[in-house]
Amino acid sequence: DAGVIQSPRHEVTEMGQEVTLRCKPISGHDYLFWYRQTMMRGLELLIYFNNNVPIDDSGMPEDRFSAKMPNASFSTLKIQPSEPRDSAVYFCASSPYSGLEQFFGPGTRLTVL
Amino acid sequence: GQQLNQSPQSMFIQEGEDVSMNCTSSSIFNTWLWYKQEPGEGPVLLIALYKAGELTSNGRLTAQFGITRKDSFLNISASIPSDVGIYFCAGQKDSGGSNYKLTFGKGTLLTVNP
Repeated sequence: DAGVIQSPRHEVTEMGQEVTLRCKPISGHDYLFWYRQTMMRGLELLIYFNNNVPIDDSGMPEDRFSAKMPNASFSTLKIQPSEPRDSAVYFCASSPYSGLEQFFGPGTRLTVL
Repeated sequence: GQQLNQSPQSMFIQEGEDVSMNCTSSSIFNTWLWYKQEPGEGPVLLIALYKAGELTSNGRLTAQFGITRKDSFLNISASIPSDVGIYFCAGQKDSGGSNYKLTFGKGTLLTVNP
């Protein structure tokens, strides 16, 4: 079975541009999580969804960040406008009904120049 | 916010040696998980612990959920070169509507010399 799929794997953009990261969770998983990983702050939860509904977005850094999950097989994380301090690896993870055991995608490495 | 203190930060060992790492917190967690991350990949779940005192093995890996629920330990026996990576602990705290938030430690970088 395919794991969590993320695209693109790498993104380089200029400050001020809009960035959209995409995620396809494991089929049948009810929970979807977006994380950000940096050397300074480690892994941080940004937002998570249950059955396509956002449950907790308290980790979203500011209004420039938004996430959607229009259906059970697709989610996006958008940054508009992007800033150099947004440079990080962004992970999507999904989890079956309990939400306890989370399975991570390969990540998107974002560089904002 | 709550933090997990993971130690050591890094380890350099010889192939065949046993490895121990731990994670502590000032807060109680109801679930402890251990992940391994290799370069360019996402974290992969190794072991999940759900009850205080629980001892669980996965091959050469053994993890324990501390009795106080404020710590967890991971041991790797007879290390091999493919054990190289960053090992993260993660805790999950039952806090009403935020049940599924994971708090991650900063990781232990393991290097195994053949």
